[in-house]
Amino acid sequence: QVQLVQSGAEVKKPGASVKVSCKASGYTFTGYYMHWVRQAPGQGLEWMGRINPNSGGTNYAQKFQGRVTMTRDTSISTAYMELSRLRSDDTAVYYCARDRGDYGSGSYDYWGQGTLVTVSS
Amino acid sequence: EIVLTQSPGTLSLSPGERATLSCRASQSVSSSYLAWYQQKPGQAPRLLIYGASSRATGIPDRFSGSGSGTDFTLTISRLEPEDFAVYYCQQYGSSPVTFGQGTKLEIK
Repeated sequence: QVQLVQSGAEVKKPGASVKVSCKASGYTFTGYYMHWVRQAPGQGLEWMGRINPNSGGTNYAQKFQGRVTMTRDTSISTAYMELSRLRSDDTAVYYCARDRGDYGSGSYDYWGQGTLVTVSS
Repeated sequence: EIVLTQSPGTLSLSPGERATLSCRASQSVSSSYLAWYQQKPGQAPRLLIYGASSRATGIPDRFSGSGSGTDFTLTISRLEPEDFAVYYCQQYGSSPVTFGQGTKLEIK
């Protein structure tokens, strides 16, 4: 069965960086794009970007350009999302989500459990 | 970017009733690349509908999606107790991917 298991909650100070991992199992990791979506407390869903695990190619939402880096390690079927220069409004639950489409432009059929990142001084 | 506006913000209904949720896009959604998700408190979203009208694997047939262009609808034919949750629409045909602000379906 497909599973996406994310790393645990993080508490960071403003200006620091955070790196969240998403370990995939139950399918061919390089066959499906992975997206990252965040959700601030009590708010809606916000797309951050995507990575092609096969090539390592990425696309980021303009809002996060320059602050976000998505990478992957195919040897351990794990995707990573690193966000730098953290601010208090980056406090959110961060999700990885598998793209069900062929070219990374599909809906998301499997989601990680979410990782709460709290930014506080 | 395409802005998705969901209505109503909150929908109060009783089990057994029919729910109709709306999602309107600021510009046409290409190839009906519109999805619906259900989210319960403390859980990740769950894919219900993709391609505007195709049910995802394991989704009961009381959930149906329709629409094209800029107007889309999620219908739940007969509400079950477990259907009370927040619902989001998403367009994935244009970059950036965007989500609606959500409709909360609550028990009346």
